[in-house]
Order: sequence, then C-alpha cells, then structure tokens
Amino acid sequence: EPEVTQTPSHQVTQMGQEVILRCVPISNHLYFYWYRQILGQKVEFLVSFYNNEISEKSEIFDDQFSVERPDGSNFTLKIRSTKLEDSAMYFCASSVLKYEQYFGPGTRLTVT
Amino acid sequence: GDSVTQMEGPVTLSEEAFLTINCTYTATGYPSLFWYVQYPGEGLQLLLKATKADDKGSNKGFEATYRKETTSFHLEKGSVQVSDSAVYFCALSAPYNNNDMRFGAGTRLTVKP
Repeated sequence: EPEVTQTPSHQVTQMGQEVILRCVPISNHLYFYWYRQILGQKVEFLVSFYNNEISEKSEIFDDQFSVERPDGSNFTLKIRSTKLEDSAMYFCASSVLKYEQYFGPGTRLTVT
Repeated sequence: GDSVTQMEGPVTLSEEAFLTINCTYTATGYPSLFWYVQYPGEGLQLLLKATKADDKGSNKGFEATYRKETTSFHLEKGSVQVSDSAVYFCALSAPYNNNDMRFGAGTRLTVKP
C-alpha cells in the first residue's frame, strides 16, 4: 500500500539555523499539507498546497516558514531561523480526494 | 471557526472492557469526520471516517456514527485489547475550510491486561 514518507525521522538543530524537512507524498495525490504537534499538545494545521501554490496557511505559518515542491515528488517545509519553540513533531499529509488525508510518520525537530 | 472537542484523558481500561471516547464538533456546514490513532512513537494513522450524516465508520472493531442532531462522532469499541493503547484524535475537515484537518486535543487510552 502506498504511503507518505518523511525524512529525516529526527532532526536536531541549533537555534537560528535553517532546517528543511522533506516529504514524499503518495504519487497520485494532488493536495499536500504540513501539520505540527508540540509534545503533549494537539496536532495543528500549518499550511496546505495545491497546484504549486499555497492554498491556505494558519497563523503559525509566518515568514520564517516556506514550502516548496521542487520536483514532481518531494514536498518540503523550510524553517529559516529556528527558535526553541519550533521544537515539535512535524507531519506531512497528502490527499487525492480533498477530505481524506494520509499522514506520514513525522519528523521530530529538536531545537537546542 | 469549525472545531472538535473530545473528552479529556487519560482513559485507563482493563482488557475486554467497553470503550467510548466522546467527540463533538462545531461547524458552519457539513464537514467530514475522522478518527486518527497515534501509537507510541509513531505517526498518525487514519482509523475510520464518515462523510455525511448517519454514516457509520468502522475499522479494527472500532465504530463511530456521524450524528448531525447531536453534532457528535463518538468512538466505540466493544472489547479493547492491550494493543489498542494509543492516543486517539477526533478530527474534521470541510471544503469551505480548504479541507485542512482540525484536530481535537487527543485522548490517551491505556489498556491493562
């Protein structure tokens, strides 16, 4: 069964550094999403992406964040200058039908 | 905006006990409703879904019915197993919200042998 994959599984970075989180969505999916989950808290929507552009973003998704689909398969989330409070699990999701999203296993980001 | 509220945990049950995790939603329209499960150290897995009123989603012995009159989507299982120990998230999505998933806070279930 096809699945969403994410790399790396765990990323440790120093405050102020740039990080890029990578996702490979399911191949025939058209809608792509990033969510985050701060430890012990709820899963929060960050951004959705369709037809090579952002279709919606939350208040969390400020100028420090960007997304890109650089080729036909990868979908990346970049954080330009990481802060301690960016430490969280980041989930990528994709869907072919708008209402059913498949989630990847997540990347745990630790900012020190 | 649209949101879901689910019962606070943690919930601790003995094996073979009956499980109910309550979830209610607030929506301006007619969202699709979901239950996701997160096993320890893993990502989110779709457990079941319902896309319209009176639909019943079911998977692995879990069930939930989309009840428009009570705006609820309670998760139930007749006989839980130790392997069901996980965090369960109720969620909704709707076209008028660009289909981003709105999650509840999650309910941690621990099943003891």
